[in-house]
Amino acid sequence: AQSVTQLGSHVSVSEGALVLLRCNYSSSVPPYLFWYVQYPNQGLQLLLKYTTGATLVKGINGFEAEFKKSETSFHLTKPSAHMSDAAEYFCAVTVWSFQKLVFGTGTRLLVSP
Amino acid sequence: DVKVTQSSRYLVKRTGEKVFLECVQDMDHENMFWYRQDPGLGLRLIYFSYDVKMKEKGDIPEGYSVSREKKERFSLILESASTNQTSMYLCASSPPGQIYEQYFGPGTRLTVT
Repeated sequence: AQSVTQLGSHVSVSEGALVLLRCNYSSSVPPYLFWYVQYPNQGLQLLLKYTTGATLVKGINGFEAEFKKSETSFHLTKPSAHMSDAAEYFCAVTVWSFQKLVFGTGTRLLVSP
Repeated sequence: DVKVTQSSRYLVKRTGEKVFLECVQDMDHENMFWYRQDPGLGLRLIYFSYDVKMKEKGDIPEGYSVSREKKERFSLILESASTNQTSMYLCASSPPGQIYEQYFGPGTRLTVT
C-alpha cells in the first residue's frame, strides 16, 4: 500500500525566506507524487506533480519539488516566501494502476512579515 | 476553468437527521470523489464514482452512502447523522485517465449537534 508522511504540521518562515516542506512516501512500485495547496476557505488545487521523467518538477507560484528515489522523498521548496503563500499544503501519492490518491496529513505554512 | 460547486458552505444538523451534501461539476468529468478533512488527519476518501450509477467505497465509508444519477452530480448522504461526522466535506472531480488531477470544491463544513 502507498502512504505519505509529512514532517511538521506547522512551518513558520519570514517573508523572503526559503520555504521547505517535507514529504516522504512509501510505495512498493514507482510512485506518482503530488503537492496540493489549500488557501483559506477554499478547496485544494494541484500545485505540481511528478509521474515520470525529470525528477525536478516546477509548479505554480514559483514552487518546485524534487523526486529522490534513494531518499523516498518529494520535498516542496520555494526560494523566497511571499505572504500569499500562507496556506495548507498536502502531499499525495498514487501508482499508475491505483484508483485513488492517498493524502498526507498536511502542513500549514505561516509567513510572517 | 473547471468548476466544482457544493450546495452549502456551512450546515448544522441534529443527531439522527438524514443529511444530503450535493456536488456538481461543469466539465463533464467521469470521476468524482467525496473526502472528509479533519485536523491532523488530512483528507480521507469516503466514496468515489467512475461513472453514472457506479460507486466504490473509499477508506471510511461507514455511516455514509452516495448517489450518482447524473454525470455532473454526486451526492453524499448521511443516513443518520452523528456527532462524530462533524467535519469538513470536500468534493472533487477528475477527467478520465487522470485520477490524480483532481479539482476540488470549496467544501461544506458540517456540524452535527
